[in-house]
Amino acid sequence: DAGVIQSPRHEVTEMGQEVTLRCKPISGHDYLFWYRQTMMRGLELLIYFNNNVPIDDSGMPEDRFSAKMPNASFSTLKIQPSEPRDSAVYFCASSYGQGYQPQHFGDGTRLSIL
Amino acid sequence: QQPVQSPQAVILREGEDAVINCSSSKALYSVHWYRQKHGEAPVFLMILLKGGEQKGHDKISASFNEKKQQSSLYLTASQLSYSGTYFCGTRPGTYKYIFGTGTRLKVLA
Repeated sequence: DAGVIQSPRHEVTEMGQEVTLRCKPISGHDYLFWYRQTMMRGLELLIYFNNNVPIDDSGMPEDRFSAKMPNASFSTLKIQPSEPRDSAVYFCASSYGQGYQPQHFGDGTRLSIL
Repeated sequence: QQPVQSPQAVILREGEDAVINCSSSKALYSVHWYRQKHGEAPVFLMILLKGGEQKGHDKISASFNEKKQQSSLYLTASQLSYSGTYFCGTRPGTYKYIFGTGTRLKVLA
């Protein structure tokens, strides 16, 4: 079975540019999560969706960050404009059910903002 | 609010045992455990749903003390493949998920 698929795996761009990260969850999963991981702050939940609807975006650091889930098989996380402090590994995860099911993570996108 | 894990890091020899603790300042409704190898994504190990519940997977087991708002992960007869960072994940009420501070574990031959 295909797992959670993220793209790109690596992204290097200059400060001020727009960055779009993409995620395809596991088919049939109704929850989708976006996380950011850094050495300083660990693994942080940015936003999560249930049935394509954003439920909690209180972890989104600033208005520069936005996330969408136009359908059950695709989600994007956009940063505009990007800043060096946004450099991190961004993970997408999906799960099925009422919240007592494991989360399946994608391989992550390693983002470097110069 | 973030669950605190202890120890922060531990080094073991193959065959030795380890215990990783996860403590929350808020009531826990379930606890998940994940392992993340360097440069890879976190991988689910197990979930504990009820206070007092214990589970095991191979030589890795866990317990959940709901009253103390704690969970512990037990690694028995550690193997080289156990190396990585272990995270507990909790749901303090809503489905907003919070991961613990992490414990780096290194198993030496």
